[in-house]
Amino acid sequence: AQSVTQLGSHVSVSEGALVLLRCNYSSSVSVYLFWYVQYPNQGLQLLLKYLSGSTLVESINGFEAEFNKSQTSFHLRKPSVHISDTAEYFCAVTPGGYNKLIFGAGTRLAVHP
Amino acid sequence: NAGVTQTPKFQVLKTGQSMTLQCAQDMNHEYMSWYRQDPGMGLRLIHYSVGAGITDQGEVPNGYNVSRSTTEDFPLRLLSAAPSQTSVYFCASSTGGWYSSTDTQYFGPGTRLTVL
Repeated sequence: AQSVTQLGSHVSVSEGALVLLRCNYSSSVSVYLFWYVQYPNQGLQLLLKYLSGSTLVESINGFEAEFNKSQTSFHLRKPSVHISDTAEYFCAVTPGGYNKLIFGAGTRLAVHP
Repeated sequence: NAGVTQTPKFQVLKTGQSMTLQCAQDMNHEYMSWYRQDPGMGLRLIHYSVGAGITDQGEVPNGYNVSRSTTEDFPLRLLSAAPSQTSVYFCASSTGGWYSSTDTQYFGPGTRLTVL
């Protein structure tokens, strides 16, 4: 069975700091990888996804994630966070060609002045 | 486009009551799904549909029914609510079908349900 583990349920950083949100997955089949973001009182939005090709993927708002097959990881980072990045971040996979998102438990990121 | 819409935003039920959570999308997506979000557990798939008239169970289907009579609508029914169904419910849709694992899913704003 596939599973997704996000290390750290809460992360608190200062504005302008580097943030790293960790995601590891387990799967016996190939997977596609996603990061979704949930701003307060809203639904989830796709932040970025890895399907194939370059292992480093970027979002339009400065986040990036790197797929590491040997470590089964897809960590998300941003070199300099802004207060508006305060949200909950979910790592997810779709295993074996099926359109079924399997989510991690989420990491709540708080960015303070 | 309104995207994915859900009603109501909030609902309080008593144990044993029934209700229907509404979900609609105007993007002509074939695939629609329902998730529940519980603290520390992320989102879990309840039911999904790959087109009108076709539905199937997800990870946590017990206590919930669905139907898909049109492409646009995918209601979720709680037949006899239980406190364990207190959760936030999200509807999502995407363009592809069950084998379109690369698709982006578009989520509605959620329904916060409390069962007393």
